Amino acid sequence: GGIITQTPKFLIGQEGQKLTLKCQQNFNHDTMYWYRQDSGKGLRLIYYSITENDLQKGDLSEGYDASREKKSSFSLTVTSAQKNEMAVFLCASSITFQNTLYFGAGTRLSVL
Amino acid sequence: GEKVEQHESTLSVREGDSAVINCTYTDTASSYFPWYKQEAGKSLHFVIDIRSNVDRKQSQRLIVLLDKKAKRFSLHITATQPEDSAIYFCAASKNSNNRIFFGDGTQLVVKP
Repeated sequence: GGIITQTPKFLIGQEGQKLTLKCQQNFNHDTMYWYRQDSGKGLRLIYYSITENDLQKGDLSEGYDASREKKSSFSLTVTSAQKNEMAVFLCASSITFQNTLYFGAGTRLSVL
Repeated sequence: GEKVEQHESTLSVREGDSAVINCTYTDTASSYFPWYKQEAGKSLHFVIDIRSNVDRKQSQRLIVLLDKKAKRFSLHITATQPEDSAIYFCAASKNSNNRIFFGDGTQLVVKP
């Protein structure tokens, strides 16, 4: 079996700060995703990547950058943290879009 | 693009009863329909899926039905147990080259 590791688990930032979230998978999956989840609600796709060095914008890409420099890792940058922002960022990976997505445990972001 | 809707935002059942969660989709070309479960404070994990070449699939107490004409699919959980309490997300994908779309989730509460 494989695992997806997200770091850090908790991230506290200041308004306007640039913050980076990291995700590593050892499934050898081609496709990786970043989702945002607010208050236990639905998932909104921020960025996804179908292979190393590929980036595709999702539905919520404004205010975020992403990077897929290696097949196994996918990082997300909040370019300017918004005051009182609170959300969970979930990373996932899959072989293709029509195979099971495996999710990481999430990074909880709070902005002061 | 595709739009997936979950009709029940919350569902409450008595332990031992059946629970049914309904989803509709808009793109007739969608062919892959997975379901994910998110327990309180945890990340999502895959529970069951169905592909468009069949209209019913069962895995233990979980049954998924697909009605392609109505563009509707549903998750039936039989003989519910307290550990079934969670948020359930349905999703749809057109093919392996097209991203997956999630519904907003249904909170299932199983009361003893």
